[in-house]
Amino acid sequence: EVQLLESGGGLVQPGGSLRLSCAASGFTFSTYSMGWVRQAPGTGLEWVSVISGFDGKTYYADSVKGRFTISRDNSKNTLYLQMNSLRAEDTAVYYCTKGGRTTDYWGQGTLVTVSS
Amino acid sequence: DVVMTQSPLSLPVTLGQPASISCRSSLSLVHSDGNTYLNWFQQRPGQSPRRLIYKVSNRDSGVPDRFSGSGSGTDFTLKISRVEAEDVGVYYCMQGTLWPYTFGQGTKVEI
Repeated sequence: EVQLLESGGGLVQPGGSLRLSCAASGFTFSTYSMGWVRQAPGTGLEWVSVISGFDGKTYYADSVKGRFTISRDNSKNTLYLQMNSLRAEDTAVYYCTKGGRTTDYWGQGTLVTVSS
Repeated sequence: DVVMTQSPLSLPVTLGQPASISCRSSLSLVHSDGNTYLNWFQQRPGQSPRRLIYKVSNRDSGVPDRFSGSGSGTDFTLKISRVEAEDVGVYYCMQGTLWPYTFGQGTKVEI
């Protein structure tokens, strides 16, 4: 059974940093692209970033480029999202996803709130 | 970015009756590898999104066969043949052909 368990969310002040983690199990982690999708309160879904399983190539939404860094540790089956210079508009539930183009499994999400 | 436009945004339905959601993309979603990366997701209240359909018309394991996807190029449709109470939620189309991948605005299905 595929499981994705996010952690690391919380309340942070504008300009602060957080690192999200996603522990994956139930599939061969290293062979899949992995990603982060966010959902601001009461709104729709937005892709944040994807990292390839094949070559580790990374992709970012323009809204987070230069501030967020996606990475993975295949030895620990864990995906990360380092978020710096956080803004109020980054407030959202952040979902870890298995796959990119045809993402099929999502975690339960972790809430990030950016507020003073 | 590829803009995904869903209609309607709100869909009142009657139990046992059919329902249909349209999704249009601003660019053709046919990838250079020949695949069309158009997916449909269901998000029930308080839950994470769940994939229903991938690559236009492939239904996921465990998804009732009353759900079907169709379309090509820039025009796509999700159909529910007979709505059941558990189908209440928000439905999103998503394109995975061009980065950044993008979602439609969502269609709220309510009884």
